[in-house]
Amino acid sequence: QSVLTQPPSASGTPGQRVTISCSGSSSTIGSDTVNWYQQLPGTAPKLLIYNNNQRPSGVPDRFSGSKSGTSASLAISGLQSDDEADYFCAAWDDSLDDPLYVFGTGTKVTVL
Amino acid sequence: QLQLQESGPGLVKPSETLSLTCTVSGGSISSGSYYWGWIRQPPGKGLEWIGSIYYSGTAYYNPSLNSRVTISVDTSKNQFYLNLSSVTAADTAVFYCAKNRYGSGFDSWGQGTLVTVSS
Repeated sequence: QSVLTQPPSASGTPGQRVTISCSGSSSTIGSDTVNWYQQLPGTAPKLLIYNNNQRPSGVPDRFSGSKSGTSASLAISGLQSDDEADYFCAAWDDSLDDPLYVFGTGTKVTVL
Repeated sequence: QLQLQESGPGLVKPSETLSLTCTVSGGSISSGSYYWGWIRQPPGKGLEWIGSIYYSGTAYYNPSLNSRVTISVDTSKNQFYLNLSSVTAADTAVFYCAKNRYGSGFDSWGQGTLVTVSS
């Protein structure tokens, strides 16, 4: 039921910058803020970015988020082996009377 | 540090009701600052929001599951619950409970519990 589209995979070598895109619509990204989650293998997702570009305490500034129109992106600079994980964007959908939270399709980041 | 922990049966038979509990510790579920939600992830697949509830009992559900889902809360026990009826193999997933501020992301998650639907 995902209405946020992400590339299935992304990769880079240690130290490189990797960018992940998230495409939505006027009722999701276009009208609300975007959150990003990191899911390390075998663990629960962790909030990485909220309100488009805010980092929770403890998240390194190597991770940054941005939004433009109905799309958003997550950038990882100075890629490290520990960054190998699945990344999901998410946003609230304003198209219905009640709140609906939608996740992106997910992107697997591989450190080469 | 507020923590969440899921509990419940790991195996449910097809057509039966899946019931899970999320126990909140290190803080009050009645604080009024947060919503309390359920998210699931089928093995090897993506995340799906099931629904969320406020301590007052107001709940919101994913329309794709609306007719089968009930989320409730017991503030005296600092717990909230998920009931998913008429389950099929397609409901096999890791179920997470989590909290979020209204309109924001889920900033704290339980470790997740795998529920398999099989006879």
